[in-house]
Amino acid sequence: GQSLEQPSEVTAVEGAIVQINCTYQTSGFYGLSWYQQHDGGAPTFLSYNALDGLEETGRFSSFLSRSDSYGYLLLQELQMKDSASYFCAVRSYSGGYQKVTFGTGTKLQVIP
Amino acid sequence: NAGVTQTPKFQVLKTGQSMTLQCAQDMNHEYMSWYRQDPGMGLRLIHYSVGAGITDQGEVPNGYNVSRSTTEDFPLRLLSAAPSQTSVYFCASRDLNYGYTFGSGTRLTVV
Repeated sequence: GQSLEQPSEVTAVEGAIVQINCTYQTSGFYGLSWYQQHDGGAPTFLSYNALDGLEETGRFSSFLSRSDSYGYLLLQELQMKDSASYFCAVRSYSGGYQKVTFGTGTKLQVIP
Repeated sequence: NAGVTQTPKFQVLKTGQSMTLQCAQDMNHEYMSWYRQDPGMGLRLIHYSVGAGITDQGEVPNGYNVSRSTTEDFPLRLLSAAPSQTSVYFCASRDLNYGYTFGSGTRLTVV
């Protein structure tokens, strides 16, 4: 089967750095995505990693280690507006087709 | 703005009523899907479509029907609403790189 694990809640201070981890178990792994969702809003795409290593987009970076079945989202210079839920999502190939499975999300609270 | 448009944003139904949630996208994406989001359970796939005329079940399809007559539209129909279907519903389309664009959501309450 497939499973994704990420912490349910994380609290961090404004201006600091926070790392949100995601571990997964799946066969036919293709890549790992991250989405941000503010309360009452829709999920929005942040990043996608298909290869090992770090991808940087402004204050946000995403990392993948395929051998460890592990990835993380790194948020730097935290701002109050970064308070949101963050979902990892695994793209995999199984039974002749590709699919994407979302994790249950990590609620990030940024405090002053 | 290009994207996914969902209507209505809010809806209250009585048990046993039926309704259709509308979804339209203007990005010419072949793949569209419907999710429900409940507290602590993330996004669960209800139904999806890989192109006009083709639909299939996801993880939690019971109580829902879909159709895909055009590339743009992918409505979700609740056949006979139940309190267990109280949830937030998101429609999404997917590009060729498997990036998802979500609609703004429909908050449904069944009483």
